[in-house]
Amino acid sequence: GALVYQYPRRTICKSGTSMRMECQAVGFQATSVAWYRQSPQKTFELIALSTVNSAIKYEQNFTQEKFPISHPNLSFSSMTVLNAYLEDRGLYLCGAWTGTEVFFGKGTRLTVV
Amino acid sequence: QQQVRQSPQSLTVWEGETAILNCSYEDSTFNYFPWYQQFPGEGPALLISISSVSDKKEDGRFTIFFNKREKKLSLHITDSQPGDSATYFCAASGQGTGSKLSFGKGAKLTVSP
Repeated sequence: GALVYQYPRRTICKSGTSMRMECQAVGFQATSVAWYRQSPQKTFELIALSTVNSAIKYEQNFTQEKFPISHPNLSFSSMTVLNAYLEDRGLYLCGAWTGTEVFFGKGTRLTVV
Repeated sequence: QQQVRQSPQSLTVWEGETAILNCSYEDSTFNYFPWYQQFPGEGPALLISISSVSDKKEDGRFTIFFNKREKKLSLHITDSQPGDSATYFCAASGQGTGSKLSFGKGAKLTVSP
């Protein structure tokens, strides 16, 4: 079956520091990977969509300078949150396309102190 | 503008009853509609999905009814179990890898024993 692993599951960082989160697709080739942030109110915000061999598309209010993403192959993607502040806290989700379906990992919960 | 709307926001049913969760969308180019189930502290798990060429998709106790003309769909959960208590998200996108997946705000289902 198609599985998406995200790690770490939770992380705490000091305000102004950075942290990197990773996403691994197992059992399928993730031709596209979408990074979302889910707020405490459960709302999903799309950060960026990355398709192999194409430029990464960032949504309004999210930039490469703040959330650099790497998608080097069909099974792995990573995203860094640079200079994290309180407003960056939330559950960061990686959604990977199999070509017809989108599977999500369990997320990385970011707490900023 | 909210592309995907869900109703009700919360629903309580008795064990054994059928829970009905509704969803509507704005963009007529959407043709892929997954439903995700999310438990507290977890990522959204793909439950069942339908494409716009179908008007019904069934998987065990879960059935999607789709009305393309009215841009509406619904998720029916028959013989509801307490373990079905979770938040359910309706999502929509164009078909295929690289398409942006838009989410509704979720519906919290509680199944009372």
